[in-house]
Amino acid sequence: KQEVTQIPAALSVPEGENLVLNCSFTDSAIYNLQWFRQDPGKGLTSLLLIQSSQREQTSGRLNASLDKSSGRSTLYIAASQPGDSATYLCAVSSSGGYQKVTFGIGTKLQVIP
Amino acid sequence: SQTIHQWPATLVQPVGSPLSLECTVEGTSNPNLYWYRQAAGRGLQLLFYSVGIGQISSEVPQNLSASRPQDRQFILSSKKLLLSDSGFYLCAWRGARAFSEQYFGPGTRLTVT
Repeated sequence: KQEVTQIPAALSVPEGENLVLNCSFTDSAIYNLQWFRQDPGKGLTSLLLIQSSQREQTSGRLNASLDKSSGRSTLYIAASQPGDSATYLCAVSSSGGYQKVTFGIGTKLQVIP
Repeated sequence: SQTIHQWPATLVQPVGSPLSLECTVEGTSNPNLYWYRQAAGRGLQLLFYSVGIGQISSEVPQNLSASRPQDRQFILSSKKLLLSDSGFYLCAWRGARAFSEQYFGPGTRLTVT
C-alpha cells in the first residue's frame, strides 16, 4: 500500500527566502507525482506534474524534482512571497492501481512579510 | 479548457437528514471521477472513484454512496447523515490514461449538526 509523507508539517519563513518542501513515498512503482497548493477553505490547485520518467519540472519560481528510486520528491520555491502562503500537498499515482492517487497530509507554509 | 463545478459550496444539515452533493465536469469526455473528504488537520481521504458511467468503486465503508448517471456527472449521497460526516468534500477528475494530471473542484463544506 502506497504511503506518502511530507516533511515538515509546517514552515514559517521570511519573505524572499528560498525554501524546500519534501515528499517521500514508500512504493517507487509510480506513474507520476503531482504537487498541489491549497488555500484555506478552497479546492486544490495543481502546481506541477512530474511523470515517472522525468527528473524535474519547472514553473516560474517553482521547481519540483523526482528521485523515484529513493522514493523522494522536493518542491523548491525561490524568492518566497506572502502570496505563497498556503498548504502544499504532494500526491502519487501508483502503477498498482493508477486510478487511485495517494496524498500526503501537506506542509503548511507561512511567508512572513 | 476543462472546468469542474461543485454545489452547494456550503451546507449545514442535521443528523439523520439526507445528503446530495453534485459535481460536473466540462470540456472533457470519459474522465475518471473522484470524491474525497478532507477532515480538519487530516489528509485527503478517497471515498469513491469512477472510471465510467455506472462504475463506482468504494474505498471506505460508510453510510455514503456515489453514483455516476452521466459521463461528466458525479453525485455523492447519504440517506442519513452522521456527525462524523462533517468535513470538506472535494470532487476531482483526471483523464483516463495512467499518466494524466488530476484537477479539483472548489469543494463543499458540510457541517452536520
